[in-house]
Amino acid sequence: DVVMTQSPLSLPVTLGQPASISCRSSQSLVHSDGNTYLNWFQQRPGQSPRRLIYKVSNRDSGVPDRFSGSGSGTDFTLKISRVEAEDVGVYYCMQGTHWPLITFGQGTRLEIK
Amino acid sequence: QVQLQESGPGLVKPSETLSLTCTVSGGSISSFYWSWIRQSAGKGLEWIGRIYSGGNTDYNPSLKSRVTMSLDTSKSQFSLKLSSVTAADTAVYYCASSSMVRGVRAGFDYWGQGAVVTVSS
Repeated sequence: DVVMTQSPLSLPVTLGQPASISCRSSQSLVHSDGNTYLNWFQQRPGQSPRRLIYKVSNRDSGVPDRFSGSGSGTDFTLKISRVEAEDVGVYYCMQGTHWPLITFGQGTRLEIK
Repeated sequence: QVQLQESGPGLVKPSETLSLTCTVSGGSISSFYWSWIRQSAGKGLEWIGRIYSGGNTDYNPSLKSRVTMSLDTSKSQFSLKLSSVTAADTAVYYCASSSMVRGVRAGFDYWGQGAVVTVSS
Protein backbone atom coordinates (compact mmCIF):
# COMPACT_ATOMS: atom_id res chain seq x y z
CA ASP A 1 0.00 0.00 0.00
CA VAL A 2 1.05 3.61 -0.49
CA VAL A 3 1.32 5.10 2.98
CA MET A 4 0.40 8.76 3.40
CA THR A 5 2.04 10.41 6.40
CA GLN A 6 0.83 13.79 7.60
CA SER A 7 2.54 16.17 9.99
CA PRO A 8 1.90 17.62 12.40
CA LEU A 9 -1.01 15.56 13.75
CA SER A 10 -2.15 18.50 15.85
CA LEU A 11 -1.81 22.13 14.81
CA PRO A 12 -2.76 24.94 17.20
CA VAL A 13 -2.88 28.25 15.32
CA THR A 14 -3.66 31.82 16.31
CA LEU A 15 -6.49 33.47 14.37
CA GLY A 16 -5.12 35.42 11.41
CA GLN A 17 -1.84 33.52 11.38
CA PRO A 18 -0.72 31.13 8.61
CA ALA A 19 -0.83 27.35 8.89
CA SER A 20 0.94 24.61 6.97
CA ILE A 21 0.29 20.86 6.83
CA SER A 22 2.70 18.38 5.29
CA CYS A 23 1.79 15.15 3.54
CA ARG A 24 4.41 12.65 2.43
CA SER A 25 3.79 9.51 0.40
CA SER A 26 5.81 6.30 0.56
CA GLN A 27 5.93 6.21 -3.26
CA SER A 28 5.90 8.85 -5.97
CA LEU A 29 2.43 10.09 -6.83
CA VAL A 30 3.27 10.97 -10.41
CA HIS A 31 1.00 8.89 -12.63
CA SER A 32 2.02 7.62 -16.07
CA ASP A 33 -0.56 10.03 -17.56
CA GLY A 34 1.48 12.95 -16.23
CA ASN A 35 -0.94 13.91 -13.48
CA THR A 36 -0.25 13.80 -9.74
CA TYR A 37 -3.36 12.66 -7.92
CA LEU A 38 -2.89 14.25 -4.51
CA ASN A 39 -6.01 15.75 -2.98
CA TRP A 40 -6.88 17.55 0.25
CA PHE A 41 -10.05 17.31 2.32
CA GLN A 42 -11.39 19.26 5.28
CA GLN A 43 -13.68 17.72 7.89
CA ARG A 44 -15.29 20.21 10.21
CA PRO A 45 -16.62 18.94 13.56
CA GLY A 46 -19.74 16.86 13.07
CA GLN A 47 -19.63 17.12 9.27
CA SER A 48 -18.69 14.93 6.35
CA PRO A 49 -15.36 15.54 4.64
CA ARG A 50 -15.26 18.17 1.91
CA ARG A 51 -12.66 18.37 -0.82
CA LEU A 52 -10.60 21.55 -0.91
CA ILE A 53 -7.86 20.81 -3.43
CA TYR A 54 -7.49 18.23 -6.19
CA LYS A 55 -4.42 17.22 -8.19
CA VAL A 56 -1.99 19.04 -5.89
CA SER A 57 -3.01 22.65 -6.43
CA ASN A 58 -6.48 22.99 -7.97
CA ARG A 59 -8.90 24.64 -5.61
CA ASP A 60 -12.51 23.43 -5.62
CA SER A 61 -15.32 25.86 -6.40
CA GLY A 62 -16.29 27.86 -3.33
CA VAL A 63 -13.05 27.20 -1.47
CA PRO A 64 -11.53 30.44 -0.17
CA ASP A 65 -8.30 31.50 -1.86
CA ARG A 66 -6.51 31.49 1.49
CA PHE A 67 -6.20 27.73 0.93
CA SER A 68 -3.44 26.60 -1.42
CA GLY A 69 -1.76 23.33 -2.26
CA SER A 70 1.72 22.64 -3.57
CA GLY A 71 4.31 19.92 -3.90
CA SER A 72 5.54 17.20 -6.19
CA GLY A 73 6.67 13.58 -6.21
CA THR A 74 6.30 12.45 -2.61
CA ASP A 75 6.15 15.75 -0.68
CA PHE A 76 3.06 17.95 -0.55
CA THR A 77 1.81 20.89 1.49
CA LEU A 78 -1.53 22.48 2.26
CA LYS A 79 -1.24 26.10 3.34
CA ILE A 80 -3.78 28.43 4.89
CA SER A 81 -2.59 32.01 4.55
CA ARG A 82 -4.64 33.43 7.43
CA VAL A 83 -6.55 31.03 9.65
CA GLU A 84 -10.19 31.84 10.41
CA ALA A 85 -12.45 30.29 13.04
CA GLU A 86 -14.35 28.29 10.40
CA ASP A 87 -11.12 26.47 9.46
CA VAL A 88 -11.18 24.39 12.65
CA GLY A 89 -11.36 20.71 11.86
CA VAL A 90 -9.33 17.79 10.59
CA TYR A 91 -7.46 17.91 7.28
CA TYR A 92 -6.70 14.81 5.22
CA CYS A 93 -4.55 14.21 2.18
CA MET A 94 -5.52 11.45 -0.22
CA GLN A 95 -3.69 9.81 -3.10
CA GLY A 96 -5.49 8.44 -6.15
CA THR A 97 -2.44 7.60 -8.27
CA HIS A 98 -1.98 3.99 -7.21
CA TRP A 99 -5.30 2.58 -8.33
CA PRO A 100 -7.29 0.82 -6.98
CA LEU A 101 -5.52 1.33 -3.64
CA ILE A 102 -6.72 4.85 -2.87
CA THR A 103 -5.31 5.86 0.53
CA PHE A 104 -5.71 8.74 2.95
CA GLY A 105 -3.38 10.32 5.45
CA GLN A 106 -4.16 9.93 9.14
CA GLY A 107 -5.38 13.51 9.49
CA THR A 108 -4.16 16.77 11.01
CA ARG A 109 -6.34 18.43 13.62
CA LEU A 110 -6.30 22.22 13.36
CA GLU A 111 -7.43 24.16 16.41
CA ILE A 112 -7.43 27.77 17.44
CA LYS A 113 -4.94 28.73 20.14
CA GLN B 1 -25.93 20.05 -6.88
CA VAL B 2 -25.79 16.34 -6.15
CA GLN B 3 -27.21 15.25 -2.81
CA LEU B 4 -26.59 11.86 -1.27
CA GLN B 5 -28.36 10.10 1.58
CA GLU B 6 -27.27 6.82 3.17
CA SER B 7 -29.79 4.44 4.73
CA GLY B 8 -29.65 1.02 6.36
CA PRO B 9 -29.43 -0.79 9.70
CA GLY B 10 -27.28 0.83 12.34
CA LEU B 11 -26.54 -2.46 14.09
CA VAL B 12 -25.27 -5.65 12.46
CA LYS B 13 -24.33 -8.89 14.17
CA PRO B 14 -20.84 -10.39 13.73
CA SER B 15 -20.54 -12.77 10.75
CA GLU B 16 -23.62 -11.26 9.09
CA THR B 17 -23.84 -8.97 6.06
CA LEU B 18 -23.87 -5.19 6.30
CA SER B 19 -26.22 -3.59 3.75
CA LEU B 20 -26.45 0.10 2.96
CA THR B 21 -28.18 2.10 0.25
CA CYS B 22 -27.37 5.57 -1.03
CA THR B 23 -30.13 7.62 -2.66
CA VAL B 24 -29.04 10.22 -5.18
CA SER B 25 -30.82 13.44 -6.03
CA GLY B 26 -29.86 16.47 -8.08
CA GLY B 27 -27.88 14.52 -10.64
CA SER B 28 -28.14 11.61 -13.02
CA ILE B 29 -26.95 8.32 -11.56
CA SER B 30 -25.53 7.50 -14.99
CA SER B 31 -23.26 10.52 -15.05
CA PHE B 32 -20.97 10.03 -12.06
CA TYR B 33 -18.74 7.55 -10.32
CA TRP B 34 -20.22 6.44 -7.00
CA SER B 35 -18.03 5.43 -4.10
CA TRP B 36 -18.35 4.08 -0.59
CA ILE B 37 -15.88 5.29 2.01
CA ARG B 38 -15.78 4.45 5.69
CA GLN B 39 -14.29 6.19 8.68
CA SER B 40 -13.35 4.47 11.89
CA ALA B 41 -11.36 5.53 14.91
CA GLY B 42 -8.89 2.75 14.29
CA LYS B 43 -8.24 3.04 10.55
CA GLY B 44 -9.25 6.59 9.66
CA LEU B 45 -10.70 7.08 6.18
CA GLU B 46 -10.80 3.99 3.97
CA TRP B 47 -12.06 3.85 0.39
CA ILE B 48 -14.17 0.72 -0.11
CA GLY B 49 -14.85 0.88 -3.82
CA ARG B 50 -16.77 2.47 -6.65
CA ILE B 51 -19.55 1.64 -9.09
CA TYR B 52 -20.65 3.39 -12.27
CA SER B 53 -22.95 3.08 -15.26
CA GLY B 54 -23.44 -0.46 -16.44
CA GLY B 55 -22.73 -1.76 -12.95
CA ASN B 56 -18.96 -1.63 -13.43
CA THR B 57 -17.07 -1.87 -10.16
CA ASP B 58 -13.63 -1.44 -8.65
CA TYR B 59 -12.93 -2.47 -5.08
CA ASN B 60 -10.22 -1.86 -2.53
CA PRO B 61 -8.12 -5.06 -2.71
CA SER B 62 -8.11 -5.36 1.08
CA LEU B 63 -11.93 -5.67 1.14
CA LYS B 64 -12.59 -7.12 -2.29
CA SER B 65 -13.42 -10.64 -1.12
CA ARG B 66 -16.27 -9.35 1.07
CA VAL B 67 -17.68 -6.40 -0.92
CA THR B 68 -20.49 -6.24 -3.46
CA MET B 69 -21.82 -3.01 -4.93
CA SER B 70 -24.85 -2.61 -7.13
CA LEU B 71 -26.69 0.14 -8.99
CA ASP B 72 -30.45 0.68 -9.37
CA THR B 73 -30.88 3.38 -11.99
CA SER B 74 -34.69 3.28 -11.81
CA LYS B 75 -34.54 4.33 -8.16
CA SER B 76 -31.42 6.52 -8.43
CA GLN B 77 -29.78 4.37 -5.79
CA PHE B 78 -26.62 2.40 -5.34
CA SER B 79 -25.88 -0.12 -2.63
CA LEU B 80 -23.11 -1.69 -0.60
CA LYS B 81 -22.99 -5.18 0.87
CA LEU B 82 -20.12 -6.20 3.14
CA SER B 83 -20.19 -9.82 4.23
CA SER B 84 -18.80 -11.64 7.25
CA VAL B 85 -18.50 -8.51 9.32
CA THR B 86 -16.54 -8.21 12.54
CA ALA B 87 -16.13 -5.48 15.12
CA ALA B 88 -13.38 -4.04 12.91
CA ASP B 89 -16.08 -3.08 10.39
CA THR B 90 -17.72 -0.72 12.88
CA ALA B 91 -17.51 2.72 11.26
CA VAL B 92 -19.31 5.66 9.74
CA TYR B 93 -20.06 4.72 6.15
CA TYR B 94 -20.23 7.50 3.55
CA CYS B 95 -21.42 7.42 -0.01
CA ALA B 96 -19.77 9.93 -2.32
CA SER B 97 -19.66 11.00 -5.94
CA SER B 98 -16.88 11.83 -8.38
CA SER B 99 -17.34 13.57 -11.71
CA MET B 100 -16.54 11.58 -14.82
CA VAL B 101 -14.34 14.45 -15.97
CA ARG B 102 -11.96 14.37 -13.01
CA GLY B 103 -12.51 10.78 -11.94
CA VAL B 104 -12.19 9.06 -8.58
CA ARG B 105 -8.42 9.57 -8.58
CA ALA B 106 -9.06 13.29 -8.05
CA GLY B 107 -11.22 12.58 -5.02
CA PHE B 108 -14.87 13.05 -4.16
CA ASP B 109 -17.04 16.03 -5.06
CA TYR B 110 -20.07 15.34 -2.89
CA TRP B 111 -20.55 13.25 0.25
CA GLY B 112 -23.56 11.95 2.12
CA GLN B 113 -23.98 12.76 5.79
CA GLY B 114 -22.76 9.31 6.80
CA ALA B 115 -24.39 6.25 8.36
CA VAL B 116 -23.13 4.92 11.67
CA VAL B 117 -22.88 1.14 11.61
CA THR B 118 -21.97 -0.85 14.70
CA VAL B 119 -21.08 -4.53 14.56
CA SER B 120 -22.07 -6.19 17.81
CA SER B 121 -24.05 -9.13 19.08
